[in-house]
Amino acid sequence: EIVLTQSPGTLSLSPGERATLSCRASQSVSSSYLAWYQQKPGQAPRLLIYGASSRATGIPDRFSGSGSGTDFTLTISRLEPEDFAVYYCQQYGRPGYTFGQGTKLEIK
Amino acid sequence: QVQLQESGPGLVKPSQTLSLTCTVSGGSISSGGYYWSWIRQHPGKGLEWIGYIYYSGSTYYNPSLKSRVTISVDTSKNQFSLKLSSVTAADTAVYYCARITLSGWVDYWGQGTLVTVSS
Repeated sequence: EIVLTQSPGTLSLSPGERATLSCRASQSVSSSYLAWYQQKPGQAPRLLIYGASSRATGIPDRFSGSGSGTDFTLTISRLEPEDFAVYYCQQYGRPGYTFGQGTKLEIK
Repeated sequence: QVQLQESGPGLVKPSQTLSLTCTVSGGSISSGGYYWSWIRQHPGKGLEWIGYIYYSGSTYYNPSLKSRVTISVDTSKNQFSLKLSSVTAADTAVYYCARITLSGWVDYWGQGTLVTVSS
């Protein structure tokens, strides 16, 4: 099973700042099979990025994804108040799926 | 717009079987092209994939839960279901049904339903 480790566990930033979230895999992951989700309290997760770098429908362009192999990054260029949430990475390792433990992005 | 809605008991006794159903609207399970999945989230914790079913009935389960999980589909009702046997308090979680693309990402989620295992 591929284990995804996200860092940091908690990230404290202010609106307008840049956020960089990391997702490291225990084995190489095809970029096609890496996704990022945002989850707010009491809500289901929402797809942000798929295929490591493609934005899902309706996702603002301040969200971007990058990386390959074992190291992937989600970047939020300028934080808006609604971006403070928990973020998860997820991989599809034929045929199963695993999620990272999450990064909580909180207002500083 | 595809919508998924979980239904089932919110309280299950230890050693019994947890049963949930997901009703899909705005899209047909029998059209193919997607895996229909169950994912859970323990209180205050991360996400755990439980398993999926394809419209044909083929399934794949998380190896850590495989011995206790059954996922089935009823294409006539556009529903799929989860059964988790021999539950313990460790199975208390929010259970989500979800649609997964063949390329591996979840594009639609249900709202989630909290299932508590307690006597």
